[in-house]
Order: sequence, then structure tokens, then C-alpha cells
Amino acid sequence: QVQLQQWGAGLLKPSDTLSLTCGVSGASFSGYYWGWIRQPPGKGLEWIGSISDSRGTNYNSSLESRVTISGDTSKNQVSLKLTLVTAADTAVYYCAKSPPIAGAGPRRFFEQWGQGVRVIVSS
Amino acid sequence: SFVVTQPPSLSVAPGETARITCEGDNIGDRSVHWYQQKPGQAPVLVIYRVTDRPSGIPARFFGSNSGAGATLTIAGVEAGDEAVYYCQVWWDHYVFGPGTEVTVL
Repeated sequence: QVQLQQWGAGLLKPSDTLSLTCGVSGASFSGYYWGWIRQPPGKGLEWIGSISDSRGTNYNSSLESRVTISGDTSKNQVSLKLTLVTAADTAVYYCAKSPPIAGAGPRRFFEQWGQGVRVIVSS
Repeated sequence: SFVVTQPPSLSVAPGETARITCEGDNIGDRSVHWYQQKPGQAPVLVIYRVTDRPSGIPARFFGSNSGAGATLTIAGVEAGDEAVYYCQVWWDHYVFGPGTEVTVL
């Protein structure tokens, strides 16, 4: 059974760097797409970016200048950093896993999600 | 960039059928996926690749896609189906629809 457990600081000040980690059990980092998605209070889902060991990273163009997603195969973890946060970055942040990259049919969806971490940016 | 639209809300009586639409340019050519999100919870995949259901998702949930748009159908709606439903496509990046809030009367 695949489980995604997230952790990181939940209260930040403007201009801080958001740093979250997603620990994976029941699956290896390799061979999948891993994504970060956020949800501002009362709003919908916004994709932040994704990573895979074979395809690298790609980011939402609206956040690309501030986002870094990385993976640690030895620890089976995926991390998100978002610099220069503002109140507009206040949201619940989710990590999520796609099906195996090697397989038939479209693979670009998220079959498992972490529990989410609420991040508040306030002075 | 690719834009996806959904109706903001939908009300349905228990036992009736809910149909949630997802529209965008040439979406009939796209593989559409659907997520259910209940208050305070993470989204859950309910339909992938237009029509496939993950294990554990009731057969009451089924999807379709035509030139007019993609549809998530929930037959025999139950109180536990009350949630926000998001469609999602891949268009060089992950694109989520704005969500449809389903209320069970």
C-alpha cells in the first residue's frame, strides 16, 4: 500500500522560503511522476510542478521563477521549495503520485495523494 | 494555455443521477481524469483515462468524453457523494478544472 506522508513548516513570514517534504512508503521514487499541488482557502486545485527521475522537472509557468522540486532516491522523498512567499501563497499543499511511467496509456494523472500541509504566510 | 471549465455547482436528490461536465478546446481528444474532494480531505481519484475506475470506486461512477466535452456521471447519488469534483487533463502541464460542488438534497 502506497502512502505519502508530508511535513514542513506551516507558518511563514513574507519573503520566507517554503520548504515541504513528502516521504513515500510502498513505492520507490524511481519510475513515477511526483507532483505538488496547492489549494488556497476556499479555492480549487493548482498544479505547482512535477518531477521524475527519468524526465526531470517541469513547473507551472506562473511559479517557475520561485519553485524548485527535487527528489531523493535514497530516502524515497520528494521536496518542494518556494521562495519569496507572500500571502497569496497561503494554501494547503499536497504531494501526489502518478502511475508508473512505463506503461500503456496516458500516465499524467495522480492516483495517490498525501494528507496535505496547511501553510499560512502572515507577518 | 489550455483552459477547462466546469459548472460551479449542481444539486441532486438522493437516488437521482448527477452529470458533471468538463469542457475545453478539443477536450474530446484528451484523456480526462476526475477527482472527488470532500471537506478537509485530500482529493481522491475516481475516474482516470476517461472511463477507468480505480479499485474501490463504486460502479455508480462512470465517465465519458465526446466532442462536446467530458462528463462524470454519478448514478443513484448517495449522501456520501456530496463533494467537489475536479476534472483534470494533461496539456504539457497538469490542468485542473475549477471544480463542481455537488450537493445532495
